[in-house]
Amino acid sequence: DQQVKQNSPSLSVQEGRISILNCDYTNSMFDYFLWYKKYPAEGPTFLISISSIKDKNEDGRFTVFLNKSAKHLSLHIVPSQPGDSAVYFCAASAQGAQKLVFGQGTRLTINP
Amino acid sequence: DVKVTQSSRYLVKRTGEKVFLECVQDMDHENMFWYRQDPGLGLRLIYFSYDVKMKEKGDIPEGYSVSREKKERFSLILESASTNQTSMYLCASSFPASGGANEQYFGPGTRLTVT
Repeated sequence: DQQVKQNSPSLSVQEGRISILNCDYTNSMFDYFLWYKKYPAEGPTFLISISSIKDKNEDGRFTVFLNKSAKHLSLHIVPSQPGDSAVYFCAASAQGAQKLVFGQGTRLTINP
Repeated sequence: DVKVTQSSRYLVKRTGEKVFLECVQDMDHENMFWYRQDPGLGLRLIYFSYDVKMKEKGDIPEGYSVSREKKERFSLILESASTNQTSMYLCASSFPASGGANEQYFGPGTRLTVT
């Protein structure tokens, strides 16, 4: 049972435009959500997170939105840059849980 | 800066061999994790450890075992490697989750090929 789903395996966006990556979850006990970025042959690196008490969190070009009623979160990248081309994973955890549950990942390609 | 290192970036092993993957972290993290990453399947948790000598099975522990004799080191063992264990293996570490924040820090990964 896939508790965290990224339904788009890939996304292609023109440089300078907005990239929107989506993530859905099924477990209502999840209360903390993270986005990771992964380049080929490297480990994932933490990008941005959001607690369930918020509906938005910004960090520079990156904004994460959380819609608890829809069990949906999204990552917005504005403006998109070539260096943003990578695989993006969303992850979730429940209160007190030590584990993260990851989605399948979305490969983002930024075209010049 | 947190540093998580893995003993090898690339490994090629034969079917039936015993394989050791080593992971070391330098941030005094209590938690350590082993994942494998496969296309279309994301990161799947194999085992994790929340303290020395403590371990818990993740989602896909079959065919794997782990060892944590020291806080900074977490080893993944493939007792008898099989071709379906060809994958990217990622180690991660974190402090215990508190109030929600439980960011994990990842190593660079080991690309294991079993022939």
